[in-house]
Amino acid sequence: GQQLNQSPQSMFIQEGEDVSMNCTSSSIFNTWLWYKQDPGEGPVLLIALYKAGELTSNGRLTAQFGITRKDSFLNISASIPSDVGIYFCAGQVNAGNMLTFGGGTRLMVKP
Amino acid sequence: NAGVTQTPKFRVLKTGQSMTLLCAQDMNHEYMYWYRQDPGMGLRLIHYSVGEGTTAKGEVPDGYNVSRLKKQNFLLGLESAAPSQTSVYFCASSYKGLHGTQYFGPGTRLTVL
Repeated sequence: GQQLNQSPQSMFIQEGEDVSMNCTSSSIFNTWLWYKQDPGEGPVLLIALYKAGELTSNGRLTAQFGITRKDSFLNISASIPSDVGIYFCAGQVNAGNMLTFGGGTRLMVKP
Repeated sequence: NAGVTQTPKFRVLKTGQSMTLLCAQDMNHEYMYWYRQDPGMGLRLIHYSVGEGTTAKGEVPDGYNVSRLKKQNFLLGLESAAPSQTSVYFCASSYKGLHGTQYFGPGTRLTVL
């Protein structure tokens, strides 16, 4: 089946640093989504991307839909301790299809 | 609104025992989903439902059964638990036609000894 590869698998950064993570696939997705999972909670949708090349922000978070439609990127600027958690990318081929999730990037922030 | 709730939060089973996980949503969503989350593997879809009385298999359905007798509830059953089913289980729901915008419950941590 389709697979999404997320990297890095984990990051340990200093508060205030910027963070970049990405998600790649061997096949095309027409929708990309980024979710965040706080410790002990379920994932929450952060950003949804619907068009190749699209760049969308949500506060300090910015995500991009790769022009090849086989990748997506998430950047977090000026990280803070509450950014800690697991970030998942998810891809959707078409509106009627289920989501395919990446393995997640675990972010740890040192105050 | 409570959103998506899951019962129980934690459970320990012995191999061969059965149990049912309950998911409830109060957002009047048509679609509901059950996922399992294992380290490094993200979320994998077990079963889903696009409406009351209908269910369908996801990516990893073996060893699980589901039922959607009421629109607001989606039950996940394990008839004979195995250690390989040790995982964190998440339920989610979404509006009709919007698989991408899913609302997740807090999860159930299941350990099978």
